[in-house]
Amino acid sequence: QSALTQPASVSGSPGQSITISCTGTSSDVGGYNYVSWYQQHPGKAPKLMIYDVSNRPSGVSNRFSGSKSGNTASLTISGLQAEDEADYYCSSYTSSSILYVFGTGTKVTVL
Amino acid sequence: QVQLQESGPGLVKPSETLSLTCAVSGYSISSGYYWGWIRQPPGKGLEWIGSIYHSGSTYYNPSLKSRVTISVDTSKNQFSLKLSSVTAADTAVYYCARISSGSSHFDYWGQGTLVTVSS
Repeated sequence: QSALTQPASVSGSPGQSITISCTGTSSDVGGYNYVSWYQQHPGKAPKLMIYDVSNRPSGVSNRFSGSKSGNTASLTISGLQAEDEADYYCSSYTSSSILYVFGTGTKVTVL
Repeated sequence: QVQLQESGPGLVKPSETLSLTCAVSGYSISSGYYWGWIRQPPGKGLEWIGSIYHSGSTYYNPSLKSRVTISVDTSKNQFSLKLSSVTAADTAVYYCARISSGSSHFDYWGQGTLVTVSS
């Protein structure tokens, strides 16, 4: 079971919107609506931002949204702010024996 | 507010066993949910190690299964990780987390603890 594929880096200016992709297979992303996204600032634990493809936990800004098409999930950050600069990881349930697979991670830079 | 806190040695010698405990507060493990361990080597991505239910049912990453044991102590409201025969490749920040079994996401995380494997 390989890690889900994410772009290594994405950047944008304050106020802009950016989208991070997460590509898997029909055994994980494409097969279940159990995709989640995590934000990780340097030296900190990951924080849940999106679950079940498009649901936001209480307290997470509505500038963060998620979607899925086929084997690819996406996280969109609108109205980009300096505090959004962090690493982002997707994750999915998988029918393989590994159960949970993470993405390769994307570094978001606010220009 | 659910809180998780990892504890254990920060330095382990090669070939020995890594042992960590995750203390849970604000929620009783006996009430449900799965509880898991995730690790992150320095500068790298996240890897799921394994999970346990309050009943004791366990699930392990096949790549680590032969070396991993996860157990739960409901009386102390904590769960533990043991990883045997460690090498430098096991050097990582180890996180414990609660897993929403209904939809398989990690909703609460510990702060993480760095374990270095070195002689």
